[in-house]
Amino acid sequence: DIQMAQSPSTLSASVGDRVTITCRASQGINSWLAWYQQKPGKAPKLLIYKASSLESGVPSRFSGSGSGTEFTLTISSLQPDDFATYYCQQYNGYSRTFGQGTKLEIK
Amino acid sequence: EVQLVESGGGLVQPGGSLRLSCAASGLTFSSYWMHWVRQAPGKGLVWVSRITNDGTGTSYADSVKGRFTISRDNAKNTLYLQMNSLRAEDTAVYYCAREGGGEVAFDCWGQGTLVTVSS
Repeated sequence: DIQMAQSPSTLSASVGDRVTITCRASQGINSWLAWYQQKPGKAPKLLIYKASSLESGVPSRFSGSGSGTEFTLTISSLQPDDFATYYCQQYNGYSRTFGQGTKLEIK
Repeated sequence: EVQLVESGGGLVQPGGSLRLSCAASGLTFSSYWMHWVRQAPGKGLVWVSRITNDGTGTSYADSVKGRFTISRDNAKNTLYLQMNSLRAEDTAVYYCAREGGGEVAFDCWGQGTLVTVSS
């Protein structure tokens, strides 16, 4: 099974900061990588799919990059609504795997 | 509007069984792969199972293989998860999710249903 290693597990930042979250796959997954945002008590929300494609309705300050085994999610200028937990997910083959999550906290 | 609504969660004793349902509306249900994802209290997301659009193909996480069975009824626009031999570590909120067509990942999620396994 493909394992996903996400870092950091916690990130403290301020409104207006640029932040980057990294996700590494245990084997190549081409660009079959998605990013989700989850707020407490809510279902996850898709932000990015196919490593770099922005889901409809998601602000352009969110961007994704990478292929193969190394991927990043970047938020260009943090807004108050962005403080949440972020997960990467691989969807190569028949199984799916999530990273362990990155909690983005207000500094 | 696309909607997924889970039901069937609750309190069950270790070794017991439970069947979750996910009712879909606002979409051509039979066109999409569907998944179950769970989240233990205070923990991260864990993929559980998936089923192809026609129900002929299924996959499971190792932690539930042999105990859980995913199925669907396209005539009723409903996804199911039969959970047997439940353990305390199966305690979680269970979400159903649609895998969008083409290159899209899980683009639509239900609100979740809580399963608690405890004596």
